[in-house]
Amino acid sequence: DTEVTQTPKHLVMGMTNKKSLKCEQHMGHRAMYWYKQKAKKPPELMFVYSYEKLSINESVPSRFSPECPNSSLLNLHLHALQPEDSALYLCASSQVYSRTNEKLFFGSGTQLSVL
Amino acid sequence: QQQVKQSPQSLIVQKGGIPIINCAYENTAFDYFPWYQQFPGKGPALLIAIRPDVSEKKEGRFTISFNKSAKQFSLHIMDSQPGDSATYFCAASRSYKLSFGAGTTVTVRA
Repeated sequence: DTEVTQTPKHLVMGMTNKKSLKCEQHMGHRAMYWYKQKAKKPPELMFVYSYEKLSINESVPSRFSPECPNSSLLNLHLHALQPEDSALYLCASSQVYSRTNEKLFFGSGTQLSVL
Repeated sequence: QQQVKQSPQSLIVQKGGIPIINCAYENTAFDYFPWYQQFPGKGPALLIAIRPDVSEKKEGRFTISFNKSAKQFSLHIMDSQPGDSATYFCAASRSYKLSFGAGTTVTVRA
């Protein structure tokens, strides 16, 4: 199984809502990532988890709150988002988080629209 | 500030043609240069990658050429097929972080 599964595929939320994005992988990878991708732009790194601990936060606003309950799951909790947060949110995983930059496996993403 | 400059923004070729995408970087600390392919509605997928001690790498119909002195690298898609129509991102990394190029949308016409 070389898949990273993300749910939901699409999400529409109001600015006062709270929602969560979910990501799951069963490849035994110990590094998991959240990326944000605007239309026709490259992915931008948001967070990195290594062995279930937050290793990197790329100065992401606190309205985005990541969580890694175990080595297979990664969540992104959303609260009080702004319309400009509308984007494709991609989860990725790699065997480990290392300087040699292991191959990243991306999920298909959650297309988020904030109204 | 974009650390990896990618061109062209888009290109159209006929089936069997060879689309070429170019990338340039400034930071000589970069030590890993992957290319990702992304289809609409999907996440990026690693296509091929190279390290700066190698000048060329081929995987199937995809070839990376790397010029360390010029700080440039390029992707060639040999015998392109309509199924190769996608957005291609070059990237470069040092330490933990990938710096992506802006992307090139390739359209292969049948």
